[in-house]
Amino acid sequence: NAGVTQTPKFQVLKTGQSMTLQCAQDMNHNSMYWYRQDPGMGLRLIYYSASEGTTDKGEVPNGYNVSRLNKREFSLRLESAAPSQTSVYFCASSAGGWSEKLFFGSGTQLSVL
Amino acid sequence: GENVEQHPSTLSVQEGDSAVIKCTYSDSASNYFPWYKQELGKGPQLIIDIRSNVGEKKDQRIAVTLNKTAKHFSLHITETQPEDSAVYFCAASSSNDYKLSFGAGTTVTVRA
Repeated sequence: NAGVTQTPKFQVLKTGQSMTLQCAQDMNHNSMYWYRQDPGMGLRLIYYSASEGTTDKGEVPNGYNVSRLNKREFSLRLESAAPSQTSVYFCASSAGGWSEKLFFGSGTQLSVL
Repeated sequence: GENVEQHPSTLSVQEGDSAVIKCTYSDSASNYFPWYKQELGKGPQLIIDIRSNVGEKKDQRIAVTLNKTAKHFSLHITETQPEDSAVYFCAASSSNDYKLSFGAGTTVTVRA
């Protein structure tokens, strides 16, 4: 079972470039999430999608956009990357809509120069 | 919003000893408290969770305790093994706002 699959695993961008992080889950989960992880700060929620067709802002949404393409896929887009967006990004999913029992992907390490 | 503080930030224990990680939360409406384990190069994995109507929960060598009055909860790992070495995160959420707030993490090292 693949679970939650994220691509790419590593990415280096120059300031101002754009990119999309892809996430797909094969567990038929309703809810999906994007988190960023920075040293000493735990994980912070960027955006989430409680169900197909809905998206909402999390704690740190500025500079990001998301698309819930279908029930399986939830992408995160950086329109104009900034050095402050250097981080490790994790996608997660859950069966319910209450951030319970999250299943995480293996992460994308992003560096913005 | 919810603020979760986690201590200690690093913890080194001898194999076979116990490890305890403590977290405090600020929002009295919080009612769900999960713990995640993150191994190097991997995403976090849920190891145990507890709801506010339960004071303690055990699963083999791990247990979580909750004190609602003091607004703190703890993870206990007994008989530690090398494979317990990882970063552990506590978190809290409420049904009023189901966004999960994470602590900063504890790096646990089990010495052989």
